[in-house]
Amino acid sequence: GNSVTQMEGPVTLSEEAFLTINCTYTATGYPSLFWYVQYPGEGLQLLLKATKADDKGSNKGFEATYRKETTSFHLEKGSVQVSDSAVYFCALSVALGDTGRRALTFGSGTRLQVQP
Amino acid sequence: DTGVSQNPRHKITKRGQNVTFRCDPISEHNRLYWYRQTLGQGPEFLTYFQNEAQLEKSRLLSDRFSAERPKGSFSTLEIQRTEQGDSAMYLCASSSTRGKNTEAFFGQGTRLTVV
Repeated sequence: GNSVTQMEGPVTLSEEAFLTINCTYTATGYPSLFWYVQYPGEGLQLLLKATKADDKGSNKGFEATYRKETTSFHLEKGSVQVSDSAVYFCALSVALGDTGRRALTFGSGTRLQVQP
Repeated sequence: DTGVSQNPRHKITKRGQNVTFRCDPISEHNRLYWYRQTLGQGPEFLTYFQNEAQLEKSRLLSDRFSAERPKGSFSTLEIQRTEQGDSAMYLCASSSTRGKNTEAFFGQGTRLTVV
């Protein structure tokens, strides 16, 4: 089956520190990979995505590279801000069955706390 | 369009009562998904519609759960005879199969508390 494993949190960093949140996956077929972010009191928002091996997704200073050989999609940011404090979810989707649905399989989330 | 809208945002109910949640997707989106998220976990897939057809249901969706999307627009999720284990955030997402942008957009969710 499909599954996503991401590092447990919380991750606590000082402002301007370097961020890495690890994510690995197992999937049947060729997945698309995503990072979603959930700010306090808000819904899930797509942060970035990559649809094939070696693609790099980027947005708002965050980056992640689709590594098929290591089945990983680690999230990185060079300099975090207090406003980046949120829960980050790694996810994958694979087109399945006759319906072609691409429902997402999520990791358990990693809470990031950035201190001033 | 203001995105995916879910109502109510919060619901507290007594065990054994029935509850119904509503999701209004982004208007041009033909796919609609329901997910459940418990504390400290990522969302888990419950069911999926393409237009008005319910094409897939997760094994997580017991017989007490039913979802509809009667005109291919808004959707409802009903839970009958609620149990404390049903307490969770229920998320709706929508996406389109047309065009280049096929990502799922999520609503803010309905938080259910069963007491």
